[in-house]
Amino acid sequence: KAGVTQTPRYLIKTRGQQVTLSCSPISGHRSVSWYQQTPGQGLQFLFEYFSETQRNKGNFPGRFSGRQFSNSRSEMNVSTLELGDSALYLCASSRRTGANVLTFGAGSRLTVL
Amino acid sequence: AQSVTQPDIHITVSEGASLELRCNYSYGATPYLFWYVQSPGQGLQLLLKYFSGDTLVQGIKGFEAEFKRSQSSFNLRKPSVHWSDAAEYFCAVGEEAGNMLTFGGGTRLMVKP
Repeated sequence: KAGVTQTPRYLIKTRGQQVTLSCSPISGHRSVSWYQQTPGQGLQFLFEYFSETQRNKGNFPGRFSGRQFSNSRSEMNVSTLELGDSALYLCASSRRTGANVLTFGAGSRLTVL
Repeated sequence: AQSVTQPDIHITVSEGASLELRCNYSYGATPYLFWYVQSPGQGLQLLLKYFSGDTLVQGIKGFEAEFKRSQSSFNLRKPSVHWSDAAEYFCAVGEEAGNMLTFGGGTRLMVKP
């Protein structure tokens, strides 16, 4: 079966712009989580959505937002981009929320110039 | 707050040698523990997980890990390393109530021929 699909895989933006990343979970998975990976801070949890509701949110500024659609696909948005937002953004899905195995996508690599 | 420490940033082993990657966690309740592997430019692949029960868990690719509550550790082992095991390895702790994982800083494994 198809895995977690993230688009786009690579993108370059300039400071001040905004970006939207997309994640299609594995069929039947209703929970989608987002993580940011940087060399300095490592892997950090951004937020989790389950049944179109945000369940948890990590310690990130309000410029980072997300949503989930009725088909479980999710998007995350970063507004007013800063150089420090350059990172690999990973999406993960699971059947349900809570004590679950997450299946990760290949990530979207964002470079902010 | 939960935390995960991977004391070794880099490890180099010879092909065919045994491997042990260390992981220490801090978590107030029963931990849900994971090891993930990441190859360059890729997402995270689950190697194994511990939720409860037998403290020695088997995973994919010949990996195993042992949960030691008294030492707050969940070390990853492999009896004989293959060149294809060269990658970055992440230990993570999860919570029962959601899909928020806290990751360690990772250990980069290099394999000498």
